[in-house]
Amino acid sequence: DAKTTQPTSMDCAEGRAANLPCNHSTISGNEYVYWYRQIHSQGPQYIIHGLKNNETNEMASLIITEDRKSSTLILPHATLRDTAVYYCIVRVGGYSTLTFGKGTMLLVSP
Amino acid sequence: NAGVTQTPKFQVLKTGQSMTLQCAQDMNHEYMSWYRQDPGMGLRLIHYSVGAGITDQGEVPNGYNVSRSTTEDFPLRLLSAAPSQTSVYFCASSFLRDRDNTEAFFGQGTRLTVV
Repeated sequence: DAKTTQPTSMDCAEGRAANLPCNHSTISGNEYVYWYRQIHSQGPQYIIHGLKNNETNEMASLIITEDRKSSTLILPHATLRDTAVYYCIVRVGGYSTLTFGKGTMLLVSP
Repeated sequence: NAGVTQTPKFQVLKTGQSMTLQCAQDMNHEYMSWYRQDPGMGLRLIHYSVGAGITDQGEVPNGYNVSRSTTEDFPLRLLSAAPSQTSVYFCASSFLRDRDNTEAFFGQGTRLTVV
């Protein structure tokens, strides 16, 4: 699986959009971009995934650049409950194993 | 729908003791896996299974055994606990590769301390 690079930490004001970047410059054509988050001490939670088109669900939006070398997870109106570690993971489509890095610690403040 | 259930939630072991961490899922997922998470680190894969009777090693398998006799259950056994195995253990399950959505579901974790 391709490696990913994420900032160690980010801050966001409550109610504002949180934009979390991820670099995956070695991504292959059959690899998807997945995002998970882990709220303090809990099990990771799936957020969203995509191949090359932008994706949106009830939790977030995923923007993937045209060359697929980077992506951005957008939480449109961050709340205090969105404070968590966010993991960007690249893996072969449909294959089940997840390889976690250290992720980005997002702190949402009042 | 319970999802992925791990037991126990907390455990303290003495060095050299053995124990089994339980994991059960009720979503008929073929794929199940065990991860450990040390402080300030991401999750590391210990063992995984693609179906009943089939298991394989992950990144950090030493000191752990698994078996998969049913689709629902995937226990993790510590053979002889060591302080280095103090960690938080997460079990996860998902459909296998031929499904469109392989979203993984995680349990709430077992916090293990070996003294």
